[in-house]
Amino acid sequence: NAGVTQTPKFRILKIGQSMTLQCAQDMNHNYMYWYRQDPGMGLKLIYYSVGAGITDKGEVPNGYNVSRSTTEDFPLRLELAAPSQTSVYFCASSYFGQEGSGNTIYFGEGSWLTVV
Amino acid sequence: KQEVTQIPAALSVPEGENLVLNCSFTDSAIYNLQWFRQDPGKGLTSLLLIQSSQREQTSGRLNASLDKSSGRSTLYIAASQPGDSATYLCAVTGTASKLTFGTGTRLQVTL
Repeated sequence: NAGVTQTPKFRILKIGQSMTLQCAQDMNHNYMYWYRQDPGMGLKLIYYSVGAGITDKGEVPNGYNVSRSTTEDFPLRLELAAPSQTSVYFCASSYFGQEGSGNTIYFGEGSWLTVV
Repeated sequence: KQEVTQIPAALSVPEGENLVLNCSFTDSAIYNLQWFRQDPGKGLTSLLLIQSSQREQTSGRLNASLDKSSGRSTLYIAASQPGDSATYLCAVTGTASKLTFGTGTRLQVTL
């Protein structure tokens, strides 16, 4: 049971480069999320998805793009990387029923990104 | 906008002590509240989830309470152990099923 799998674990980017962080879950969860965590700060929501084909912005979406072509996958793309995007990125997934009550959210192990 | 605050930011206790971590939130319109543990360089592990209709949840030495009307939750850790050393985060699930996190309490349990 893999849960939520993120790749890569570590990456160094040069300013202006682009890259995609991959995220996959095998729990048939409808909701998926991307968060970033800066040192000493809480997690900030970048983008989220409530199901395949549906995505929406979170609190800090600028500089990022997402897609959700399947239930399992939710890649995060960084276009024109900037030093301000140096952070730890976490993908997560959860199941929400029709009544709106949620179940436990599961996190990947994180992707450490440095932009130099 | 929902805001989640955790007090204290850091806590150091000797092994064996009971302790309480606090979490407060500004908007009581939540679906649930979760407590997470984060070890250095690792992801988050869910400890307890309390639905909005519940008052508390227990798992082993952990007990979490929720007072939705006052916007407060506490995480009680009994008989603390060095292995409990980690950062503890609370998060509330609100409208559009989005989670809002606190900044965490860094706990160190000393021998």
